[in-house]
Order: sequence, then C-alpha cells, then structure tokens
Amino acid sequence: DAKTTQPPSMDCAEGRAANLPCNHSTISGNEYVYWYRQIHSQGPQYIIHGLKNNETNEMASLIITEDRKSSTLILPHATLRDTAVYYCIVRVWVGNTGKLIFGQGTTLQVKP
Amino acid sequence: DADVTQTPRNRITKTGKRIMLECSQTKGHDRMYWYRQDPGLGLRLIYYSFDVKDINKGEISDGYSVSRQAQAKFSLSLESAIPNQTALYFCATSEGFGYTFGSGTRLTVV
Repeated sequence: DAKTTQPPSMDCAEGRAANLPCNHSTISGNEYVYWYRQIHSQGPQYIIHGLKNNETNEMASLIITEDRKSSTLILPHATLRDTAVYYCIVRVWVGNTGKLIFGQGTTLQVKP
Repeated sequence: DADVTQTPRNRITKTGKRIMLECSQTKGHDRMYWYRQDPGLGLRLIYYSFDVKDINKGEISDGYSVSRQAQAKFSLSLESAIPNQTALYFCATSEGFGYTFGSGTRLTVV
C-alpha cells in the first residue's frame, strides 16, 4: 500500500509558485521521500528527493517538516510545460535496497 | 538512444496468448523493475531484480513472470493474457538514489 496521501488535483497560474503537499505520516526514519512527475503517459521523470533536510535543485525545492510526516514540493515559477501528474513517493527498504511505492498522485494544471 | 528502452511501444493481443515485453538498459545498473499503471492510478510494482541471480515478486505478480537474461535485459511475460492485464507497463532501473524509467509499453488484451 502507498504510504503517501496527496490531493487529487490542483491548479496554478503560469509564472506563480506551485506548492504541492504530501502526507506521509507512517514514514520510517530511514525512508526517503521522492517526487516524480508524469507528463501524459510518458515514463515518470525524477524531480527531487530528500530524507529530513530541505532540498533544492534546478527543477524544484522540497520542504520536509521536522517530524517528517509531511512535505511540500515547490515549483518556483510554474510554466505550462509543468502540467503533469506529480507523485510523492516513499522509498521503502527491502534488505539493503529500496523500492519506490507510488500513490495516486496530484494532477497539476498550470493555467495561462 | 534512451537509457532504458522498452519494446514494443504498443501491443494488442488476444486473450489466452503468451506475450513478452522486453526492457534493456545502457546505464549499467544492477537493479531493474517492472511496474504496471492503470488509468488514473499510480504505478504498481510487479517484479524487481537486484542482480541477474536475484528476482523478487512485487505487489501484483500473479499472472506475470520475468526473466533477467543479463544485467542489461529484464523481460516480463504474460503466460496467458487476460483483459484485465490491459495497462501501461513501465520498466525502470536504479542505482543508489537514482531511478530511471522507460517510455512504457501500452498493452491491450482483447
């Protein structure tokens, strides 16, 4: 079962920041939070991941609460090309390697 | 060339037929995965392989089998296809923290 809960859909105005929330209240201490997005039916595309510190890369920022029970993906200046399904994923450990367990994702619609 | 290549991209098959979906990768990763996606849902894990000799069932392995022919190749088979196996199938590889997905195979069982 997925360990994350996301709103099914969100809208954002072009040029504004898109803030996508995710709850992962049962996350374990060594489990990472990943964000992927899927445009149309293409293969999921990596965005960012983190454990407990906030992370930033050229695509987005990831803000993880101190108790690690929730996180927010921030796209600082959304464009029409950012319209996609965004998946918040907990990477669970199996032995010494991890598996990505997907939830249902948030459909982000960026509007002109 | 794509890092993770899936063939075929689209396939229509009849109920009861055996079908194989193929995945090859050029990333040199040991770990490979097969996922299934149904409309409006996230990806669900079918099988995964940590190396050529290690294959494991995922959440929804019933009705599927896999073969890891080499580090670079991981095939998914439907021994006797049924209509509710109609879905989009993704192969992925990983090493460390990075996961790379293929472009998917759209399978329709009629």
